[in-house]
Amino acid sequence: EAQVTQNPRYLITVTGKKLTVTCSQNMNHEYMSWYRQDPGLGLRQIYYSMNVEVTDKGDVPEGYKVSRKEKRNFPLILESPSPNQTSLYFCASSLSRGGEETQYFGPGTRLLVL
Amino acid sequence: AQSVTQPDIHITVSEGASLELRCNYSYGATPYLFWYVQSPGQGLQLLLKYFSGDTLVQGIKGFEAEFKRSQSSFNLRKPSVHWSDAAEYFCAVGPEYGNKLVFGAGTILRVKS
Repeated sequence: EAQVTQNPRYLITVTGKKLTVTCSQNMNHEYMSWYRQDPGLGLRQIYYSMNVEVTDKGDVPEGYKVSRKEKRNFPLILESPSPNQTSLYFCASSLSRGGEETQYFGPGTRLLVL
Repeated sequence: AQSVTQPDIHITVSEGASLELRCNYSYGATPYLFWYVQSPGQGLQLLLKYFSGDTLVQGIKGFEAEFKRSQSSFNLRKPSVHWSDAAEYFCAVGPEYGNKLVFGAGTILRVKS
């Protein structure tokens, strides 16, 4: 089944404790992206990657890192989480970078930083 | 910069009634427009998209949307709502660069029986 998977689905952590949220897609998609969803703000892009070893900042990159060493994986790293990073996070992928391409979203990771 | 406005935060409709969710966008060129649905505890699922051609777009689950360039709108419609349609709906426009989607704040749909 074609899908985007994220782990963990739920995470409670404390301020400053490094964490990684994994994202994997099995559709051989070139383009991958991370979004965060906050009430009343919709989804905002954190980082994106157009291919292996090619990543760039989105609208809200502060406090996050990403890497793209393999085509299928695009982990999101929070080196020193803070309470304002409490949010719902979505990974997405699409076949290519064309604007008309459908983006497929993972199920989301709900993060609470205490 | 691109932006998307969904004027209605919450909408409640009766089961079987018609539905229209509003979406207005700001974008200089011809936009790519999308509607996504998010059911409770789920990820986002694409309902439909527009990027060229016929301005009335058919999607899944009986939804349709009409692109009106003169009004910068892309409203989502359904002639008869089912209880299972209760969810949050997001309008999005792209691309600013790459495949970045700019999302509206979302509209929560409640269906009453």
